[in-house]
Amino acid sequence: KAGVTQTPRYLIKTRGQQVTLSCSPISGHRSVSWYQQTPGQGLQFLFEYFSETQRNKGNFPGRFSGRQFSNSRSEMNVSTLELGDSALYLCASSLWTGGIETYEQYFGPGTRLTVT
Amino acid sequence: QKEVEQNSGPLSVPEGAIASLNCTYSDRGSQSFFWYRQYSGKSPELIMSIYSNGDKEDGRFTAQLNKASQYVSLLIRDSQPSDSATYLCAVMTRSGGSNYKLTFGKGTLLTVNP
Repeated sequence: KAGVTQTPRYLIKTRGQQVTLSCSPISGHRSVSWYQQTPGQGLQFLFEYFSETQRNKGNFPGRFSGRQFSNSRSEMNVSTLELGDSALYLCASSLWTGGIETYEQYFGPGTRLTVT
Repeated sequence: QKEVEQNSGPLSVPEGAIASLNCTYSDRGSQSFFWYRQYSGKSPELIMSIYSNGDKEDGRFTAQLNKASQYVSLLIRDSQPSDSATYLCAVMTRSGGSNYKLTFGKGTLLTVNP
């Protein structure tokens, strides 16, 4: 079974621009979570989507948004980029059928975003 | 408010020794606990899940959970240089209604010396 895929893998943007990142979950997984990872803050939760609905949101400004499509693929968008948005953005998928053992999350390779 | 805490390390052990990684969490209602391994420049990889008190063994890895003490640990037996990585503890916590999220510790850097 193919793993979680993310595109693009690397991205360089200029301050003030916007960016869209894409994530395709493991086949059959309906939950997709997004995280930001930086050396100082570690892994920070951005949001989670399940069946095209945002179920959870972390403490990030409204410049960070996302969506999920009917095939469970997800995108996240960051508008008006700031230097501090430079990070590794990770997507993770899980089966999540309600049982606690179905919440195991599997990560994609990540998108390395550099804002200059 | 830190919800999941780990020693940042680095933890250095000789090859063949047992590496012990520890994690504490603040939410008493947490039900699921995970250990991820992250090599430098790579994404986290799930290596262990544990849901009930006690020990769970998988090869050279043993996860231990004590919900009363709000403590979870990971033991790596016969440590190998290839085990050198950052180990992340993650806890599934309720975030309102029937919604959950994973909260991660900042990770412990393990170095296994040949």
